Amino acid sequence: QVQLVQSGAEVRKPGSSVKVSCRASGDTFSRYAINWVRQAPGQGLEWMGEIIPIFGTPKYAQHFQGRVSITADSSTTTAYMELSSLRSEDTAMYYCRSCSSTTCYDGSDIWGQGTLVTVSS
Amino acid sequence: DIQMTQSPSSLSASVGDRVTITCRASQSITGYLSWYQKKPGKAPKVLIYAASTLRGGVPSRFSGSGSGTDFTLTIGSLQPEDFATYYCQQTYNTPVTFGGGTKVEIK
Repeated sequence: QVQLVQSGAEVRKPGSSVKVSCRASGDTFSRYAINWVRQAPGQGLEWMGEIIPIFGTPKYAQHFQGRVSITADSSTTTAYMELSSLRSEDTAMYYCRSCSSTTCYDGSDIWGQGTLVTVSS
Repeated sequence: DIQMTQSPSSLSASVGDRVTITCRASQSITGYLSWYQKKPGKAPKVLIYAASTLRGGVPSRFSGSGSGTDFTLTIGSLQPEDFATYYCQQTYNTPVTFGGGTKVEIK
């Protein structure tokens, strides 16, 4: 059973960047899709993008194109999400999720515990 | 991108009530739909996938139905632990998209 452990809370100033990590246990890391989903205060869930480490090429939501970078390191079974040009609206809880299928259509979701990113001057 | 529209956005119900939440896709997604439960401070939890398949460990009072563009989540008899926000998500293609959520509150 895969478990996901995310890095701790971050505080950033507007215009800066943040990089959140998601470490996976288990031996299926490379073949599984790692998604990043965020939830701003009082808002709904928003998919940011995904990567399947064995393929390496990430997919991003149009809303974040040019500002987000999702990478994966199979040697450490860790995925990363970096968001740049931060603004106050990026204050949110950021979750990683692992699925055995792209889009998680098979209900195989495993979620990290979430990382709170606060953007404030 | 496929737009997902949930209704209602919130509802008040009592323990024991039957609750129905609907989700409509902007185009056919056949049966590629999942339902999630979200509680404050917790990660989302998948309840149902492939429109009507209950994930293991999820109580049988939860059920899902629908295909094409119209889907329904039903909670057969609302329990105290079910007060939460529920989201649908299309798993037909990327970018995956979520509905706006339905907050189920205590009456």
